[in-house]
This record gives sequence, structure tokens and C-alpha cells, in this order.
Amino acid sequence: DAGVTQSPTHLIKTRGQQVTLRCSPKSGHDTVSWYQQALGQGPQFIFQYYEEEERQRGNFPDRFSGHQFPNYSSELNVNALLLGDSALYLCASSSLEATQQETQYFGPGTRLLVL
Amino acid sequence: QKEVEQNSGPLSVPEGAIASLNCTYSDRGSQSFFWYRQYSGKSPELIMFIYSNGDKEDGRFTAQLNKASQYVSLLIRDSQPSDSATYLCALQTGANNLFFGTGTRLTVIP
Repeated sequence: DAGVTQSPTHLIKTRGQQVTLRCSPKSGHDTVSWYQQALGQGPQFIFQYYEEEERQRGNFPDRFSGHQFPNYSSELNVNALLLGDSALYLCASSSLEATQQETQYFGPGTRLLVL
Repeated sequence: QKEVEQNSGPLSVPEGAIASLNCTYSDRGSQSFFWYRQYSGKSPELIMFIYSNGDKEDGRFTAQLNKASQYVSLLIRDSQPSDSATYLCALQTGANNLFFGTGTRLTVIP
């Protein structure tokens, strides 16, 4: 049973560039959430996708956008990269069919460095 | 604004001791609480969740929740060097997304 997968594992970009990160959820999960984790901080919620639509959004600018495909996989796009976007980007999957105590399982993350 | 505060670290305990990790939160509407363990350079790994007041035990781990006082804690009994990691407390709102604290770094000294 495959867990959550993310690609790429590492990425180096320069300021102003655009980046796309990818995530495949755990088998049986239909909901994907994205988080940004800066060094020494806890993960911060970016947004959540369900049924190919953005269901919830955290306090992130419009430079951060996403997409969910019919197979439940998801992409996170960041435009006009800033130095402050350097972080570990985490994808978590869950199922809204589950009980109220829905648990999110994290992928290995993509470490983005903006120079 | 939902806030999650974790006791400042780093926390060091000798091998075999009990490690106590604490977390307080501001949103009384929070329904479920999670503890994740994160090794350096890795992603968070779910340890336990709790949603009812009281204690919940799973092996060497015990989560405690007190909604009236708005705190949740994690006890690790018989601490092992492999328990050395950062422990993240998170709360889940009705919207099903997670709000995390900044984490407490635990070091278990052999």
C-alpha cells in the first residue's frame, strides 16, 4: 500500500522563477492538503483540495496556487519566487469518508531553496 | 486566530525516564488534537490523536487532553535514544486542516 509520494525531493530556484511541486495521495485518500514548513517552525497550512476544488485556504498570497486531478493527485505552484519561500513543502492526504477524527498522513516533502 | 503553544525546548531526559511534552491552544472550538514526531530532515510522522477529555494510551505513549484548561500533553515512558526528535502538537478544526505549534525538540541521553 503506497503512502504519500512527492516530487521532486529537492529543488533550487532563483528569485522570480516559478515552481511546480507534485503529490500523490495515499491509496484510498481523496483529499490533499499542502503545508509550508520553514526552518525551526511548525508546518503552516497553505490550502486543501477535495473533488478537484480548493476547499480551504490558509494565509498565503495568490502566488501560491494549486490543482487536483481526477486521480486525486495534486500540484502546488508558486509564482514569482521570493527568498522567503525557501522551505520544506509538505503534502498530506486524508479521506473525508473517514470518521470525524480524520488523520492526515504526510509525504516526505520537497525541500525548496530560492537563491 | 488559532494559536498553538508548545513548551519551549530543547528538552533532555536520560534514557529510561519519562518525557513530558505540553501544548496549549487558544481556540475552544478545536475538536481533535494530534501529536506528530519529526526527525531532522524528515517529514512529520503521526504518533497519536485524541479528541476526548482524559488519557489515551498507545504503547509507551500517553496523550492527555483537558479541554476546559485547553491543554494537551504527550508522555513518553521508558524514553529511548530513538525517541530523540522534534514533537509537533497540532489541532484540527471543523474545516479539517491542521494548525501546528512550533515543536519541542527532545533529546534522550543514553
